Amino acid sequence: DAGVIQSPRHEVTEMGQEVTLRCKPISGHNSLFWYRQTMMRGLELLIYFNNNVPIDDSGMPEDRFSAKMPNASFSTLKIQPSEPRDSAVYFCASSRDYNTDTQYFGPGTRLTVL
Amino acid sequence: GQSLEQPSEVTAVEGAIVQINCTYQTSGFYGLSWYQQHDGGAPTFLSYNALDGLEETGRFSSFLSRSDSYGYLLLQELQMKDSASYFCALSDDKIIFGKGTRLHILP
Repeated sequence: DAGVIQSPRHEVTEMGQEVTLRCKPISGHNSLFWYRQTMMRGLELLIYFNNNVPIDDSGMPEDRFSAKMPNASFSTLKIQPSEPRDSAVYFCASSRDYNTDTQYFGPGTRLTVL
Repeated sequence: GQSLEQPSEVTAVEGAIVQINCTYQTSGFYGLSWYQQHDGGAPTFLSYNALDGLEETGRFSSFLSRSDSYGYLLLQELQMKDSASYFCALSDDKIIFGKGTRLHILP
């Protein structure tokens, strides 16, 4: 298995631009998670899906952030408009079950907003 | 609510044993996990404790005591490649990660 796939690996954009991060979970995994990691705040759970349905989006910082999972093999995290404070590494992870199983992380997307 | 506390940094010597502690406050949970993250990399799963006691996986062991609201990760025969950050994570209705412990290993 190729593991969790994220794209792009690096993104540099200017403030105000729309950013879309993509994730392909491991085949057969029912749960998908989006995390943000910064030095100051550590690893934060933004949102997670179970069977393509958003279960908890309480970690999404603002309305500028949105996430979708149109099917079992694809998810997006969108930031519109982006701000410099959104600069972070964004990880996608998947697992067979959302609360008792190992999470497998993708390589992450390093986002820099200028 | 849930919160996990772990030391921000720990230093140990190559070949030695080190213990990284994790204390938590929660009303109930499924289990406690440990993840390793090297600089520039993604977190990777190390160990999971659903029940009290010790789980051993090679050089790494993890322990959980629900009555003491406490767990730890034990790394034996430390190698330089073990230099990384280690996160404990609590599984309830979702997974909450601690802030991470950066392990420095001296030759």
